[in-house]
This record gives sequence, structure tokens and C-alpha cells, in this order.
Amino acid sequence: ETVMTQSPATLSVSPGYRATLSCRASQSVGSNLAWYQHKPGQAPRLLIYGASTRATGIPARFSGSGSGTEFTLTISTLQSEDFAVYYCQQYHNWPPITFGQGTRLEIK
Amino acid sequence: QVQLVESGGGVVQPGRSLSLSCAASGFTFSDYGIHWVRQAPGKGLQWVASISNRGHNKHYADSVKGRFTISRDNSKNTVYLQMNSLRDEDTAVYHCSKEVFPLFGGDAFDTWGQGTTVTVSS
Repeated sequence: ETVMTQSPATLSVSPGYRATLSCRASQSVGSNLAWYQHKPGQAPRLLIYGASTRATGIPARFSGSGSGTEFTLTISTLQSEDFAVYYCQQYHNWPPITFGQGTRLEIK
Repeated sequence: QVQLVESGGGVVQPGRSLSLSCAASGFTFSDYGIHWVRQAPGKGLQWVASISNRGHNKHYADSVKGRFTISRDNSKNTVYLQMNSLRDEDTAVYHCSKEVFPLFGGDAFDTWGQGTTVTVSS
């Protein structure tokens, strides 16, 4: 099983600033990496797939990079609605499809 | 618009069974693989099971293998998750989700339902 490790567990950033979230895979997942935003009581929202392709309707302030085992999600200028939990997911070595444990992005 | 709606959750005793449904609309259902993902209270997302667009290929997490069965009826645009021998640790919100690209081969999920809550408790 490919273990996905996200860091940090919690990130405190002020609105208007940049947030950088990391995700590491225990073995190569190529570019088969997605990022999701999840708010309480809502369905998770796909932000990025293929490591760097923004999903339909996702603002340009969200960007993804990386390949192999190291990945980054960057939110360039944080808006109030961006504070949520973010998950990475690999779909290269499956089954099982695996998620990271999540990074909670909170307002500083 | 593309939509997935789960139903069938509830409170059930350990060892009993429950069946979840996921009704789809707004896309060509028979073209896409569908997955179930759950979130236990205070925990992260966990993939549970998947089924290919025609239903021929199915995969399960080790934690549910032999207890859960995924199936689909393309004439009804619905995927099912039959959950038997339920355990306390199966307590979670269960979401169904749709793959980004048609056919089936492991993919990101571009559409998720709101989820249905399953509580296993005596």
C-alpha cells in the first residue's frame, strides 16, 4: 500500500498570504496525484488532478506541482473561503487508492 | 448538472447489515467508474470500494473485503454498497464519487455526493 504523508498537520496563515501544503508518497505515484478541499458537512471538492491540472471551475490561485514522491499544493493569495482541510490522494498504485491524513488550513 | 445522491444510512447494531444507494444524474452513468469513500468521526478520508463502468471489475479496501459488496444497475443510474457484519469501526459518513475520465483505471474523483451517515452501535 502506498502511504501518503501530508505536512504540516495544521497550517496557520493570514488572508491575503500564500499557503504551501506538502504531500509525500512512500513510493512513486508518477503524476497520479489529486488534491481535495473539504469543509465540514460538505462534499469534498476536487482542486487538482494529474498533480498539476486544475479541475473545472477552480480558481487560478490554486496550483499543484511535483511528481514521483513529492508534491505541493500552493494557494497564492488566501481568501476567507479557502480555510478548510486539504487532502492529497494517489491513484497510481491501486487498489487501494490512498489519501493523506489531511492538512487543516486555519486563519492566523 | 452532474450530481450524486447517497441514501440508506442509519443506526445499526454490530453484526447487522445495511445497504447504501448512490443515485446519479447529469452524465452518462454507464461510462464512469464509481467509488465509495468514507470518513469516520474525527478522521480523514478512506477509500472503501470501487466498480468499473460496466460492473465487471470491483475492488475493496482490506478492512471491508469479504463483508461489503459493491454493485451497480446502469438502467437505474445507481450504485449500491451492501454492508454485512458491520463493526463499530465502520461508523462513518459514506460518500460515493465519480471518476474524472470515462472508463475505469484508477482516477481522481470530480463529483462527490454529500454523504450518508452510518452509525454502528449497540
